[in-house]
Parts: sequence; structure tokens; C-alpha cells
Amino acid sequence: DQQVKQNSPSLSVQEGRISILNCDYTNSMFDYFLWYKKYPAEGPTFLISISSIKDKNEDGRFTVFLNKSAKHLSLHIVPSQPGDSAVYFCAASQEAGNNRKLIWGLGTSLAVNP
Amino acid sequence: NAGVTQTPKFRVLKTGQSMTLLCAQDMNHEYMYWYRQDPGMGLRLIHYSVGEGTTAKGEVPDGYNVSRLKKQNFLLGLESAAPSQTSVYFCASSPNRALYGYTFGSGTRLTVV
Repeated sequence: DQQVKQNSPSLSVQEGRISILNCDYTNSMFDYFLWYKKYPAEGPTFLISISSIKDKNEDGRFTVFLNKSAKHLSLHIVPSQPGDSAVYFCAASQEAGNNRKLIWGLGTSLAVNP
Repeated sequence: NAGVTQTPKFRVLKTGQSMTLLCAQDMNHEYMYWYRQDPGMGLRLIHYSVGEGTTAKGEVPDGYNVSRLKKQNFLLGLESAAPSQTSVYFCASSPNRALYGYTFGSGTRLTVV
């Protein structure tokens, strides 16, 4: 059973508009959440993260919102640009001995149309 | 600016053959990881290392072995490849316990026929 779910496999938006990518999780032990972006034939690259003690983190055009009671987080991209077209992965982290366990969603493919 | 380098980028193996995937990082990161990505499934951790000379099992370790003899290198071995190991393999490294995100390689696409 997936602990991190990205229910929209794909999303299409117009350039300049807002892109909202959603992620739901089931495990209340997750205490850190990350978003990664992946272009074809490349590895994922870290985009933005948020600790469970916060409800918002902003970095330029990218903002992540966390709603702990709903076990839901979202990534907002404003304004969207064609170069943002990629697959976006949500990941959730928790303590696991000498490492931190990282559980990944399946990804949402974002297409930003000029 | 090499970051994390994976070799090879593509490989086709016959069932039962063996091979080693090499991951090299030049950022002096302590932690290194091997993931596989399959359609309909998120990235799954195969093995990881928290420092030179250490290795540990992840979620899906069966059929794979790893070694971290040097801090900058993390090798993933398949002793007897099976079609179920057809996948895209990603190596990643991080300076600490993943709080600040990983740096990934560009992946190795492996097909076992």
C-alpha cells in the first residue's frame, strides 16, 4: 500500500498560470517532505522541502504548503514556465536507525504550454 | 561539476549473466544509495551506505550486492540477472541523513532478456 500518493499522473497548464501539484501521505511519522523534479534521461533534482513543523516554505516561484491534519502537501509554481515541464516527485522522510527512510510518490508529469 | 556519475548508461543482459553498475561522486558525500525505478512504482531503495566500508539493505535488496571500498564509489552488482531486474537504476549521494536532499546520477537503463 502506497504511503505517498500523487493521484494526478499528469497536469497541463498554460504558461504564466499557476501549477498546483498535490501529494497525500498516510504515515503520521513522516516529519520532512521534499519535492524533486525530473527531466527525461536525467536523474531527479531536489527542488524544495518542508519540515513538519512548518506549514509553508517558499523559494522563488516555488511554494510548498503542508496540511498535517489532512496529511496533504501541495507544490505551487507561479508563474509556470515551459521549462518547468517535467515529472515532479513528492517524497516523505522519517527516522530509520542510522539513516532516514525516504518514501517516494509515483510522480506527476507537468506540461506547461506556451 | 561532475556530481554523481553512473556507468554504463545502457546495458542489455541475458538471463543469468552478471554485471556491475558503477556510481562515482566527487562531492565528498558520506551517504550513497542505489534505487530502481519501475513503471507504476515509486523509486525503491535497493541498498545504501552511510560511509566508506559500510553497506545496508533497503526495501528491495534481493538479487543485488553492493560494495563501498572507497568513499567516492558505490558499486551495485547483479550476480545472476533476471528479467525482473529490468529497470532504470539511479544512484544518489547526500552529505548527511537526507534532510537536504539527494544528488542523483542520470540513471542506467538495464534490460534483461
